[in-house]
Amino acid sequence: GEQVEQLPSILRVQEGSSASINCTYENSASNYFPWYKQEPGENPKLIIDIRSNMERKQTQGLIVLLDKKAKRFSLHITDTQPGDSAMYFCAATVTNTGKLTFGDGTVLTVKP
Amino acid sequence: ETAVFQTPNYHVTQVGNEVSFNCKQTLGHDTMYWYKQDSKKLLKIMFSYNNKQLIVNETVPRRFSPQSSDKAHLNLRIKSVEPEDSAVYLCASRDISNERLFFGHGTKLSVL
Repeated sequence: GEQVEQLPSILRVQEGSSASINCTYENSASNYFPWYKQEPGENPKLIIDIRSNMERKQTQGLIVLLDKKAKRFSLHITDTQPGDSAMYFCAATVTNTGKLTFGDGTVLTVKP
Repeated sequence: ETAVFQTPNYHVTQVGNEVSFNCKQTLGHDTMYWYKQDSKKLLKIMFSYNNKQLIVNETVPRRFSPQSSDKAHLNLRIKSVEPEDSAVYLCASRDISNERLFFGHGTKLSVL
């Protein structure tokens, strides 16, 4: 099966700076990579995703990069705000297998 | 907007008891999941059902059994709970057209 490693596990940044979370995967057939944000007491919510036919995707202050050769993908949050403080999960899957494997999560704290 | 509904929100019980959790999705998806989120916030897949057919059964203890009456409902029964079953159980529904996963708010189980 797939294994996804996510780093760092804890990330503290100053408001207004950027935050980066990195993930690596093992299965070269994986072709769909979503990112989820989970606030305390809430369910994980999809914030952005990227497919293997893309190397970069950007939406509303979020950038995801995908390096298929290195089997690595990353989330970059620009101009962080206190509301970005949450747990973030990366995940990977081969489409149509129905099995999404999550990283262990990153706790992001944005200090005012 | 929540479209994956779980009941109950919380359940406190004693070792050896049987518990059941319910999940319903109104998204019209064919595939539903149970994930376990432990105290370290790790997200681990337990079961997947595709239109009432079990398609993924991870190595979970036999005391756990999923039950599905139709593609919109996926329940989880735990026959004789153990202390290590204390966790949040997250139900999810998957859109096979884009692989996106939508989580319910979870059922928090505490085993005393």
